[in-house]
Amino acid sequence: EADIYQTPRYLVIGTGKKITLECSQTMGHDKMYWYQQDPGMELHLIHYSYGVNSTEKGDLSSESTVSRIRTEHFPLTLESARPSHTSQYLCASSTSAGGAYEQYFGPGTRLTVT
Amino acid sequence: LAKTTQPISMDSYEGQEVNITCSHNNIATNDYITWYQQFPSQGPRFIIQGYKTKVTNEVASLFIPADRKSSTLSLPRVSLSDTAVYYCLVIDWGNQGGKLIFGQGTELSVKP
Repeated sequence: EADIYQTPRYLVIGTGKKITLECSQTMGHDKMYWYQQDPGMELHLIHYSYGVNSTEKGDLSSESTVSRIRTEHFPLTLESARPSHTSQYLCASSTSAGGAYEQYFGPGTRLTVT
Repeated sequence: LAKTTQPISMDSYEGQEVNITCSHNNIATNDYITWYQQFPSQGPRFIIQGYKTKVTNEVASLFIPADRKSSTLSLPRVSLSDTAVYYCLVIDWGNQGGKLIFGQGTELSVKP
């Protein structure tokens, strides 16, 4: 079972608030990712990191920012939440080691901005 | 990035074998074929990955013909708990650094 955690699982917050979604993994994986998924729709990669101090924007433009100061921690921040940010945010991690190349996903954070 | 095409939805009954076919006509030499499963309100879960011929694990089998332009995920004797969305992806781990590009997936509904 994958050891990747996201908090909070659910968040309802008002417009204009600053929020940080937490993601941690205990597997020592060097690569971490953030995806955004609207209900019934496909996942879109919004940020990824290949290691400490490495962050890149994904294929879907996002107003969020990320940081990677520690291997196990990859938080996502929205400086000023808006209703258009309402979505599910999924964090994942993977290793560069050999073998089957799979990403391990966290349970997700469902964000609602009112 | 190779684009994949798979059916939007499929229905099945408990105990049946389910085969979901995915097309990836412009797959590149270095691409691997990967399938993920996603239950409602959860993150996707890796099912199986292959490069060519046949791969089998405790969950599913993956059949890949010689031209690799399609692949078929086979789920033996499905149960109600196999109701989920199944995603087919092709990925070049060398050049893309492990980035996954998800399509709409196939929504499998297993009925009693």
